[in-house]
Amino acid sequence: GDSVTQMEGPVTLSEEAFLTINCTYTATGYPSLFWYVQYPGEGLQLLLKATKADDKGSNKGFEATYRKETTSFHLEKGSVQVSDSAVYFCALELTGGGNKLTFGTGTQLKVEL
Amino acid sequence: DGGITQSPKYLFRKEGQNVTLSCEQNLNHDAMYWYRQDPGQGLRLIYYSQIVNDFQKGDIAEGYSVSREKKESFPLTVTSAQKNPTAFYLCASSIGRTPNTGELFFGEGSRLTVL
Repeated sequence: GDSVTQMEGPVTLSEEAFLTINCTYTATGYPSLFWYVQYPGEGLQLLLKATKADDKGSNKGFEATYRKETTSFHLEKGSVQVSDSAVYFCALELTGGGNKLTFGTGTQLKVEL
Repeated sequence: DGGITQSPKYLFRKEGQNVTLSCEQNLNHDAMYWYRQDPGQGLRLIYYSQIVNDFQKGDIAEGYSVSREKKESFPLTVTSAQKNPTAFYLCASSIGRTPNTGELFFGEGSRLTVL
């Protein structure tokens, strides 16, 4: 079945450090890929998305590129801030999947001063 | 403000009791979803509904029930048949129409603890 694998956390970084959170997927067909973010005590919100191979999603300084050859969608940010501390979820949706998303297990990011 | 409202935020239940979690949206979205979040397991889909008066089982529907009598409401009942109900429950909605954007809008969640 379809699945998403994320690197385990927590990931702890100093402010202004470079961030990479790895995400790989297994899917039949050609999925759309997403990163959602969950701040403490809140629900999830969409961070960025990409709907086809080689697309790059970007938002709030975060980027991720849809790599079909490596079935990956790694999240990156050049300089993290304390306010980026949250749990990040990678997710996929198959074309025609009716917005039924499959989520990864989430990666907690802690950014310290 | 448009959004999704879940209630209650915290709920305690004794074993053997059914409880109902409320989810209301004023986004005029067709589709609504219930996910369960457990530490280290991410989000797992319980039930979803793409239109009023219709819903489908997700990956872990056993021990849960839902109804969709109104477009804006999608309550989830955790029954006594659910063997491990202590979890964080998230409700979400989406436009649901083609083209799909894949964007889900989430509520703030309800934390259920079984005593």
